[in-house]
Amino acid sequence: GAVVSQHPSRVICKSGTSVKIECRSLDFQATTMFWYRQFPKQSLMLMATSNEGSKATYEQGVEKDKFLINHASLTLSTLTVTSAHPEDSSFYICSAREQGFFNSPLHFGNGTRLTVT
Amino acid sequence: KQEVTQIPAALSVPEGENLVLNCSFTDSAIYNLQWFRQDPGKGLTSLLLIQSSQREQTSGRLNASLDKSSGRSTLYIAASQPGDSATYLCAVRGLDGGSQGNLIFGKGTKLSVKP
Repeated sequence: GAVVSQHPSRVICKSGTSVKIECRSLDFQATTMFWYRQFPKQSLMLMATSNEGSKATYEQGVEKDKFLINHASLTLSTLTVTSAHPEDSSFYICSAREQGFFNSPLHFGNGTRLTVT
Repeated sequence: KQEVTQIPAALSVPEGENLVLNCSFTDSAIYNLQWFRQDPGKGLTSLLLIQSSQREQTSGRLNASLDKSSGRSTLYIAASQPGDSATYLCAVRGLDGGSQGNLIFGKGTKLSVKP
């Protein structure tokens, strides 16, 4: 089955530093990947839609200059949290749908637990 | 704006029981509905996907139904096992092409199956 690999699974960083999270589709190509954030006891909330070869689309309230998204290839999207603050501590999950299969389910990575101290 | 609600928020049952998890959504104009399982600190595992034209899907001990007109879906788990303990998430995909089909999630039902 389709596999999405997300790395790292857990990261602790100091306030003010930047953190990069990678999301890879291992056995399929994905023109579109989605980045979600989940705070404790809350729903997963879409942050942005990552489009291969073009700019990401951000949801309302998500700062594009703070959460940099790069989707340089059909199998890799990265999310960089710049100048991280403690309030950015959260669980970040990426997902992808196989290119050309509009009806297929989204496949999710295992998530990244970010803790900003 | 689509809203997804899951009831109950938490459920504890003894092993072997059959159980039903409920999901409701406010906008019936959906493309499909997906049930996921999330283990603590982990990502999501897709369990069942129901297209808007379908009524139900089955996989092993799991059966998901969809009543689009009433905005409801249920996930039925037969003969529950301790390994079924996890948070179960319901998510709908809207018809809005502009969102490229992202999912709107409920807050989940945390299931605990006691041996």
